[in-house]
Amino acid sequence: DGGITQSPKYLFRKEGQNVTLSCEQNLNHDAMYWYRQDPGQGLRLIYYSQIVNDFQKGDIAEGYSVSREKKESFPLTVTSAQKNPTAFYLCASSRTGTGAGKNYGYTFGSGTRLTVV
Amino acid sequence: QKEVEQDPGPLSVPEGAIVSLNCTYSNSAFQYFMWYRQYSRKGPELLMYTYSSGNKEDGRFTAQVDKSSKYISLFIRDSQPSDSATYLCAMSADKIIFGKGTRLHILP
Repeated sequence: DGGITQSPKYLFRKEGQNVTLSCEQNLNHDAMYWYRQDPGQGLRLIYYSQIVNDFQKGDIAEGYSVSREKKESFPLTVTSAQKNPTAFYLCASSRTGTGAGKNYGYTFGSGTRLTVV
Repeated sequence: QKEVEQDPGPLSVPEGAIVSLNCTYSNSAFQYFMWYRQYSRKGPELLMYTYSSGNKEDGRFTAQVDKSSKYISLFIRDSQPSDSATYLCAMSADKIIFGKGTRLHILP
C-alpha cells in the first residue's frame, strides 16, 4: 500500500545535538512538507519542497534544515540552533496541481515525537 | 484577523447525536476546503475535500461551504465513540492553511 513513513516514532535529543527525522513516501508525489505541531498552536510549516533538489522555507524554518535529493525522501534535521525543539513533527506529501490555485489534499505520516532531555 | 479561525473545544456530545464543527476564514481567494481527522499521537487524515461552495456527503459526514459568509461546516450524523478525535479544517488558494483543530469527545 502507498503511504508516508516517518521514523523514528519517538526521538530523544540531548542539548547541543543535531538530530535527523526521516520521511519516505511511495505515492509518487512531487511535493513534500514538514510541519511542527504544538498543543494549542496547530500546524506550523517548517519547510516544503515541490521538486527534487529544491526547497523553500516555511513560517518557522530557523534552527532546521532539509534536503531533497530523491523524490521519495525529505529528511529534516533539527539543529542545536533550534532553542525549543520538543514537539510533534509531521511530514506530508501531495500531488502538485496545474493552473492557478489548483491544490490537492495532503497525505500525512504518523509523526515523530521529539523530546529534549 | 487570522486567516482561519476554529474553536479549539473540547466539544463533548452523547453517542448518536449530530455533531457540527465549524471554521470561519477571511481570505476570499480560498477555493479548496478540506477537513482532516487526527487521532491522538497520529498524523491527520483527509476526511472531506470540497471545491468552491456547496455540500458534499460521504456516509455519516457532510461538508458544507458558504463562500458568501466565509464559513465552512462539517456535520457528523449518528456520532460514535470512534469519532472522538481532533478535527482540523483546511483551505487553500495557492497553499494550504490549517485551522488549529477542534477536539471532539463522543460520550458512550
